[in-house]
Amino acid sequence: AQRVTQPEKLLSVFKGAPVELKCNYSYSGSPELFWYVQYSRQRLQLLLRHISRESIKGFTADLNKGETSFHLKKPFAQEEDSAMYYCALRGNFGNEKLTFGTGTRLTIIP
Amino acid sequence: DAGVTQSPTHLIKTRGQQVTLRCSPISGHKSVSWYQQVLGQGPQFIFQYYEKEERGRGNFPDRFSARQFPNYSSELNVNALLLGDSALYLCASSSPGFNQPQHFGDGTRLSIL
Repeated sequence: AQRVTQPEKLLSVFKGAPVELKCNYSYSGSPELFWYVQYSRQRLQLLLRHISRESIKGFTADLNKGETSFHLKKPFAQEEDSAMYYCALRGNFGNEKLTFGTGTRLTIIP
Repeated sequence: DAGVTQSPTHLIKTRGQQVTLRCSPISGHKSVSWYQQVLGQGPQFIFQYYEKEERGRGNFPDRFSARQFPNYSSELNVNALLLGDSALYLCASSSPGFNQPQHFGDGTRLSIL
């Protein structure tokens, strides 16, 4: 079975401070990991994926297979980063199924 | 590009009724997936269709069914509605090819009275 855990429902960080949103997963094979973000009154959108190994809006995430983690990080938080963040996993069953965590609401304090 | 479009935006039904939700994928996308998002939870996978064939099914009862049309649009049907079916129903599409990400619509908010 595949499972994604985001231990923090709520996270508040001061503007300019570092941000880390935690994501741990359980999967027996080699998964694909994603971070999706939902800004206020907008649709769910892809932020980044581990196979791209890119930085989007200053965010990065590294897949740690030993710790089965895919934490999202940003060195200096900005007010526009306030949003709901979901970590998601896609297995290799030959379909598109995404398994989501419960999400973390990030609030940046000015 | 309009992105993934879903209709209706909101819907109110009573227990025991049936409902049909609609989704139009991004132009060129052949895969459509459906998710249910209950308040306070992440989206849960219901179905995936590719080229009109079911490719995946989540842990939902047989009251839930879906289909995909030749133009790649899709419908999700739910019969014998229960109060617990109240949720946001999301549609996502992806383009052909390996490891393509899913793009989500705004969803249909279904309320059961």
